Parts: sequence; C-alpha cells; structure tokens
Amino acid sequence: SVLTQPPSVSGAPGQRVTISCTGSNSNIGAGYDVHWYQQLPGTAPKLLIYGNNNRPSGVPDRFSGSKSGTSASLAITGLQAEDEADYYCQSFDSTLTVLFGGGTKLTVL
Amino acid sequence: EVQLVESGGGLVQPGGSLRLSCAASGFTFSGYSMNWVRQAPGKGLEWISYISGGGVTIYYADSVKGRFTISRDKAKNSLFLQMNSLRAEDTAVYYCARLGFCTGGSCPSDYWGQGTLVTVSS
Repeated sequence: SVLTQPPSVSGAPGQRVTISCTGSNSNIGAGYDVHWYQQLPGTAPKLLIYGNNNRPSGVPDRFSGSKSGTSASLAITGLQAEDEADYYCQSFDSTLTVLFGGGTKLTVL
Repeated sequence: EVQLVESGGGLVQPGGSLRLSCAASGFTFSGYSMNWVRQAPGKGLEWISYISGGGVTIYYADSVKGRFTISRDKAKNSLFLQMNSLRAEDTAVYYCARLGFCTGGSCPSDYWGQGTLVTVSS
C-alpha cells in the first residue's frame, strides 16, 4: 500500500497504543486530510476519525488522531477488550486516487 | 437512518461479468458522492471507484480501469458496479460507501453497506 501502517500492535487493557500511517509528498504530505476506520471481525468498516483529528458522533474520546508532514497517527487510550479490531488509515493522492493503508491489527492482551 | 444494502454478488467464472447494486435509503442520494471499496479474503481495504452526486465525475483504480463501470440511478436511489472480464484477483467482498463531509481535499466514507461477496473461480 502507498500508505504504510504497521501490520500489528498490541497493548494491555488500560494502556495507550498508537498506530502510524506514513505516506508521501503526493498524498498526506501534499496536505490531504487523513481519516481512520475501525473494522471489527466480520463487519464492515466504521468511520472512527475524519479530517485528521475529528470524531464522528458516538465515537469515544479515547480515540484521537493527529497528522504531521507525510504521516498521521491514531492513538487509543484506556485500551478496552472491545477495541480489538483492524484499523485503516485513508487519504487522497494527487493522482486522483483514494488511498487506504494496509491495515493494522490491534490485539488487546 | 442511513442504510446501504449491496446485492448481486456470487460465483462467476474467470472472464465473466457481474453487476453489483447498492440500494440507498435514509438520505438524499443525489446529494452525495459514493465509493466502491473491496476487500479480498484476509486482506486490507482497496478503493476501486468513485462517482460524484450528479454522476458527472468518475474515477477508477488502475486495477479495474477499463473493466469496471460505476453508475448511479437517482430515481432508484441506487449505485451500480458493472464488472467485466473478471479475474481471480477480483475475488473480494465489495462494499458501497457514502462519502461524508470532505476536509482538506479528502473525503471520508461515513456510511458503509454490509458488503457482497464476489468469487471468481472456475
């Protein structure tokens, strides 16, 4: 994937984890916003963060996003068992392409 | 309540065709751009096509350009994906997704359907 995410991250309940999303000067670095999705096993993706750091209604404030340069990050604090899922970043590229990261599997220990 | 319901998936032989549909309800369909996104078994999300609310602006991923055609019908509140010359690597769950409020030149998909499975195999 053009947007690079770590394949997996893990943390114990209550801990804080971060997931990175690295792009390039033609997408994130060009100023395009980043969005994040959570996909629970066997379900469709759900929008978690939009516009780099905004939460849709109903998403707990334990989830936060940031962006700097050619990268973005998703942070999850107060980790809970139900947070175990796959997480994807998404942005846009100057080649008129919607980009997804390869996805990160979060394991709650 | 916003709802997106895909249909039309199934088993098709390599080289064959299939037409996916996505029935939209709970919002003014013509006011929103839409995406098709697919997910191969055990793999990540892959964007494949975009269509603007009026159907005028269309984009495709290189992997499907020339083989897939996206369209929409305002009267039927439906989105379509015509898939021709199907290959084994097109096997995936296909999701339709509504594009929400765009920020910084990039648009999030704020609602997704449940997906429909397309299997390309002989």
